[in-house]
Amino acid sequence: AQTVTQSQPEMSVQEAETVTLSCTYDTSENNYYLFWYKQPPSRQMILVIRQEAYKQQNATENRFSVNFQKAAKSFSLKISDSQLGDTAMYFCAFMKPNKLKGAQKLVFGQGTRLTINP
Amino acid sequence: ETGVTQTPRHLVMGMTNKKSLKCEQHLGHNAMYWYKQSAKKPLELMFVYSLEERVENNSVPSRFSPECPNSSHLFLHLHTLQPEDSALYLCASSPEPGHRNTGELFFGEGSRLTVL
Repeated sequence: AQTVTQSQPEMSVQEAETVTLSCTYDTSENNYYLFWYKQPPSRQMILVIRQEAYKQQNATENRFSVNFQKAAKSFSLKISDSQLGDTAMYFCAFMKPNKLKGAQKLVFGQGTRLTINP
Repeated sequence: ETGVTQTPRHLVMGMTNKKSLKCEQHLGHNAMYWYKQSAKKPLELMFVYSLEERVENNSVPSRFSPECPNSSHLFLHLHTLQPEDSALYLCASSPEPGHRNTGELFFGEGSRLTVL
């Protein structure tokens, strides 16, 4: 079974700094997707960024980028020029395509609580 | 109204009560999910429905009973719960898997359940 591990329960940085959140996963699959989700204090979880395992190029979305190391099974999230609105729980997740009939099965990590201080 | 809506947002119940959580999605998705979120633990997938058919049941105790009457609505019926069942219950939906869909789930804001 796949597992996802986030080793940093909490992190705190100053506004405008760069912060990196760690994630490792365990799988024997070769084709899969990885995700970072953000859950602000209002609690609705939203997708931040996704990475297809077959793509060597790291995904980027504005200030958010990932460092995907397939051999090491590592998938870290870098937030550049951090903003107060980035304060949230961040969850790393793994998915093997077509695992469920017509649905997606995501396996989540424990989450990292990130606080951006003014 | 758009997105995924969960009601109630907060629920306090005794161990002998029967209550239900409701989830409604207005995104035209075909799959819906219940997740349990407890402090310092990974999100736990409880149930998955695809086109109103249950396709995943992760060894959840029978005191949790899901119901999916149509592709837009999902319920979680609760009875004789235990204090350790206190958690945030998240509902999510997703569209049909395919070339343009790469696994994103769309979440509601959750129902905070407290069992006394």
